[in-house]
Amino acid sequence: QQQVKQSPQSLIVQKGGISIINCAYENTAFDYFPWYQQFPGKGPALLIAIRPDVSEKKEGRFTISFNKSAKQFSLHIMDSQPGDSATYFCAASINTGNQFYFGTGTSLTVIP
Amino acid sequence: EPEVTQTPSHQVTQMGQEVILRCVPISNHLYFYWYRQILGQKVEFLVSFYNNEISEKSEIFDDQFSVERPDGSNFTLKIRSTKLEDSAMYFCASSQDYSSYNEQFFGPGTRLTVL
Repeated sequence: QQQVKQSPQSLIVQKGGISIINCAYENTAFDYFPWYQQFPGKGPALLIAIRPDVSEKKEGRFTISFNKSAKQFSLHIMDSQPGDSATYFCAASINTGNQFYFGTGTSLTVIP
Repeated sequence: EPEVTQTPSHQVTQMGQEVILRCVPISNHLYFYWYRQILGQKVEFLVSFYNNEISEKSEIFDDQFSVERPDGSNFTLKIRSTKLEDSAMYFCASSQDYSSYNEQFFGPGTRLTVL
C-alpha cells in the first residue's frame, strides 16, 4: 500500500518561477508532514515540516500548504533558483511512531 | 555543524556475500535508523534502534538483516547473504528524541551494488 503519493515525478521551472510539488496521503493518523531536499550524492535533508493543526507554513521562499479534508499537502518554492535544483521528497509519520513514509520524489530542475 | 557519517561510500559485493555498512550518528543522538533507496524509487524505512534494541522494523527488514551498536559511536547494518535486489543506496539517520516531531538527520549514504 502506497501510503504517500507524490507528483509530478519531474519538474522544470524557469528561474524566478514558482515550483509546486503535490502529495496525498491515505492514513488519517498521520500528523507530521516533512519535506526533504536531496542533492546528488547527499542524504535527504529536512527542508520544512508542518503539522495538521495549521493550513500553511512559510519559511523564506518555501511554503507548505496543507488540506486536511482532502488529505493533501504541497510544497511551493517561490522565486525558484538554479540552486534549488534537487530531488524533493514529501513524507508523513504518526506522532507516536518514528517511521517516515516517503513519497516517490520529484526531480526539480530550475533553468537559469 | 554535526553530521551523520557513513562508510564506505560505495560497496560492491558478490551475491551471497555478507556486507556490513557503517554509520556514525550525531554524538548526542539516541535514536538511530536505517533507510534504503533503490535507484529511482522512494526512500524506504528499514529499522529503528534505541537503547541497544530494535524499536521498529519494516517488512523489508527480514532475517537477512541485523543492526548493532558495537561501541559508543558506530551503528552498523549487516546483510548476511546479499541478493541482487539488495542493490540500493542505504541511508543511516539519527535523531535526538523518539518522536516524529524531531528531525531525523540523514547521512550521505552507502551505495551497495550486488553482482
